[in-house]
Amino acid sequence: DVKVTQSSRYLVKRTGEKVFLECVQDMDHENMFWYRQDPGLGLRLIYFSYDVKMKEKGDIPEGYSVSREKKERFSLILESASTNQTSMYLCASRPADALGAGTQYFGPGTRLLVL
Amino acid sequence: AQSVTQPDIHITVSEGASLELRCNYSYGATPYLFWYVQSPGQGLQLLLKYFSGDTLVQGIKGFEAEFKRSQSSFNLRKPSVHWSDAAEYFCAVGITGGGNKLTFGTGTQLKVEL
Repeated sequence: DVKVTQSSRYLVKRTGEKVFLECVQDMDHENMFWYRQDPGLGLRLIYFSYDVKMKEKGDIPEGYSVSREKKERFSLILESASTNQTSMYLCASRPADALGAGTQYFGPGTRLLVL
Repeated sequence: AQSVTQPDIHITVSEGASLELRCNYSYGATPYLFWYVQSPGQGLQLLLKYFSGDTLVQGIKGFEAEFKRSQSSFNLRKPSVHWSDAAEYFCAVGITGGGNKLTFGTGTQLKVEL
């Protein structure tokens, strides 16, 4: 079974803090994704990575950055956390697939509260 | 750009009743279509997916979905709902050559009455 793990299930941070969310997958997938999930808005793509050190902006990258130094690990960074970044963050991974039809596998999510 | 609409925000059904969750997509060509389920406090789990071929797709947990090109729809169905099906359901669309991106609907919250 594919396993995607996220470093924390719940996180509480203060406004202005630098926040790191870590995601690790164990299936040697090339593609990894970060989404945020908000009630009534569904899942929105923040960033994705199709290879080590490669990244692309998703639909809502403002206020976020990412790092992918190793294939299995994809980090989401909030440089200066703000209250409007309080949300559920979901990581996903997927094998490379030229057709774009591959299944994304999700981690359990990190619920972040910024005070 | 592609988009997905799930018109029902909340649905309540009685245990044992049938279920249909609606999903409509907007895309010029044949998309790849997915249904995911999210139980409380959990990540998303794939229920089923459509790529091509037979328009009626069977998934896990007794779910099925039918792709109707003429209606741009991919509705999820289950003949008899169990209390454990209470969860949030997301429809998603991917596109040929879109490589990495899925576009998700806003979700439908299912409540099951005993």
